[in-house]
Amino acid sequence: DAKTTQPNSMESNEEEPVHLPCNHSTISGTDYIHWYRQLPSQGPEYVIHGLTSNVNNRMASLAIAEDRKSSTLILHRATLRDAAVYYCSIGGGADGLTFGKGTHLIIQP
Amino acid sequence: KAGVTQTPRYLIKTRGQQVTLSCSPISGHRSVSWYQQTPGQGLQFLFEYFSETQRNKGNFPGRFSGRQFSNSRSEMNVSTLELGDSALYLCASRIGPQYNEQFFGPGTRLTVL
Repeated sequence: DAKTTQPNSMESNEEEPVHLPCNHSTISGTDYIHWYRQLPSQGPEYVIHGLTSNVNNRMASLAIAEDRKSSTLILHRATLRDAAVYYCSIGGGADGLTFGKGTHLIIQP
Repeated sequence: KAGVTQTPRYLIKTRGQQVTLSCSPISGHRSVSWYQQTPGQGLQFLFEYFSETQRNKGNFPGRFSGRQFSNSRSEMNVSTLELGDSALYLCASRIGPQYNEQFFGPGTRLTVL
């Protein structure tokens, strides 16, 4: 059973911010929130992860709700290269990842 | 630094056969995980190896097995192939199990006829 729920697809314009939501109502206190993305014919690529506090890195920001039952991946200025399927996953650092169908992000020029 | 490499990239087998897939992790990474990706089930965890020992296993039948060598390279084997085993098999490496960031290879596309 999928532990996370994401919209099937989202569309955004180039150079605009993108907010990708993920619901994970069954998250436990020790579960990390992971985000990966996958381009066609490639393996998944790590984007960001977090536990409780919001996180920033060179690729994106991760905003985690106070109750941790949802999170949002933020791409600050989308480019055409950001078009991919984005997966949200929850689990401990020692656990394997499980992805559902993810969100297909379409970027319009 | 070279990324995770997987061989072969594509494979066609028939039902009942067995198959061995190979993965070379990023240099210095000692943890290797295997995943199965299908359109219907998404990405599912098979198992993880660290220091030549399987430390975690997903919910797959015993036909799926793996091993890791002293140089951290890993192989996975699927015996008595079934049509439903057709999938993209991905290998991911990380420095160690305590690190969250995993680096994926391009995968091996297995087709079972």
